[in-house]
Amino acid sequence: DAGITQSPRYKITETGRQVTLMCHQTWSHSYMFWYRQDLGHGLRLIYYSAAADITDKGEVPDGYVVSRSKTENFPLTLESATRSQTSVYFCASYGGTSGNTIYFGEGSWLTVV
Amino acid sequence: EDKVVQSPLSLVVHEGDTVTLNCSYEVTNFRSLLWYKQEKKAPTFLFMLTSSGIEKKSGRLSSILDKKELFSILNITATQTGDSAIYLCAVLLTQGGSEKLVFGKGTKLTVNP
Repeated sequence: DAGITQSPRYKITETGRQVTLMCHQTWSHSYMFWYRQDLGHGLRLIYYSAAADITDKGEVPDGYVVSRSKTENFPLTLESATRSQTSVYFCASYGGTSGNTIYFGEGSWLTVV
Repeated sequence: EDKVVQSPLSLVVHEGDTVTLNCSYEVTNFRSLLWYKQEKKAPTFLFMLTSSGIEKKSGRLSSILDKKELFSILNITATQTGDSAIYLCAVLLTQGGSEKLVFGKGTKLTVNP
């Protein structure tokens, strides 16, 4: 089915571990985004990508790494997870053409203990 | 720094009331303004506004953009308990040749029966 999917949906990990959140979209959208959502902060942009092999930092990139080797995938890696990275993570994609909207994945709930 | 500010942050009304949610922005290279509704999971798209003064309508919801004064409003008439959600405003802007989406903190709407 066409759409944008995230995995895992729920994850508990320990401080210091590496965690990768996956995002896959089937529309061949050029743009993809990663956000985290925390109470009192709304949705904050972590990283975004305009196309394969092009990535840019958002508001809160520290502690995160992204890659975009294929248009349809945009994994987000926490290289050494910290408790402050406990959050809900949303991936989104966008075709980049005027009038196109932006669609969100279902979210990944990450708890770092 | 690009900024999107929503007000109020929280609002409690009774069923049948009409509400107006506000979104102001200060960004460089504005492209569009988007409204989303978020219940317990991913944000769902409501409206995308690109031109000033043109009202977009969907059932009891409507929205308009003022690009001169840099704000948008989202109106909900005859509110229902199912309208209870967080309403998110976001601005799509261009930066360094690519586009990114910046969110406000959201307005939490509670509609009581």
